Amino acid sequence: EPEVTQTPSHQVTQMGQEVILRCVPISNHLYFYWYRQILGQKVEFLVSFYNNEISEKSEIFDDQFSVERPDGSNFTLKIRSTKLEDSAMYFCASATEAGGTDTQYFGPGTRLTVL
Amino acid sequence: KNQVEQSPQSLIILEGKNCTLQCNYTVSPFSNLRWYKQDTGRGPVSLTIMTFSENTKSNGRYTATLDADTKQSSLHITASQLSDSASYICVVSPLDNTDKLIFGTGTRLQVFP
Repeated sequence: EPEVTQTPSHQVTQMGQEVILRCVPISNHLYFYWYRQILGQKVEFLVSFYNNEISEKSEIFDDQFSVERPDGSNFTLKIRSTKLEDSAMYFCASATEAGGTDTQYFGPGTRLTVL
Repeated sequence: KNQVEQSPQSLIILEGKNCTLQCNYTVSPFSNLRWYKQDTGRGPVSLTIMTFSENTKSNGRYTATLDADTKQSSLHITASQLSDSASYICVVSPLDNTDKLIFGTGTRLQVFP
């Protein structure tokens, strides 16, 4: 069964460094998402992406964050200058349709630790 | 403010028993309500999705109900198994912004033999 994959599984970085989290969505999906989950807290929506542009973003997704689909398969989340509070699990998800009742399929996540 | 609250926070049951998890939401209007299962350290996996017009949806031993008038949903697990141990998350999709899923804090279920 096709699945969303994410790399790396765990990323450790120093505060102020740039990180890029990578995701490979399911191949026939057109809608892509990033979420984060701070340890012990709820999952939070960051951004949705369709047709090579951001369709929605949350208040969390400020100028330090950016997303890109550099080729036909990868979907990346970049954090330009990491802060301690960026430490969290980051989940990528993809779907065939936006919103509606279409299932979003989540990847296994990347645990980001900012020291 | 759009919120999704779940209860209980945690629940311990014995294998083979049934249980019901609760979700209350203030999101209005909403497009659909979803229940996800999240194993520790993993991404959420969809169990059920209901539109505002649906009252119930089943997926094997999982049955979700929805009362849009009282803004409540429940997830009933029948004949629990050890593998049901996980967090169960209620997620609501606002009608005016269906992509911005609003997640509850989840109910942590532990099933013991």
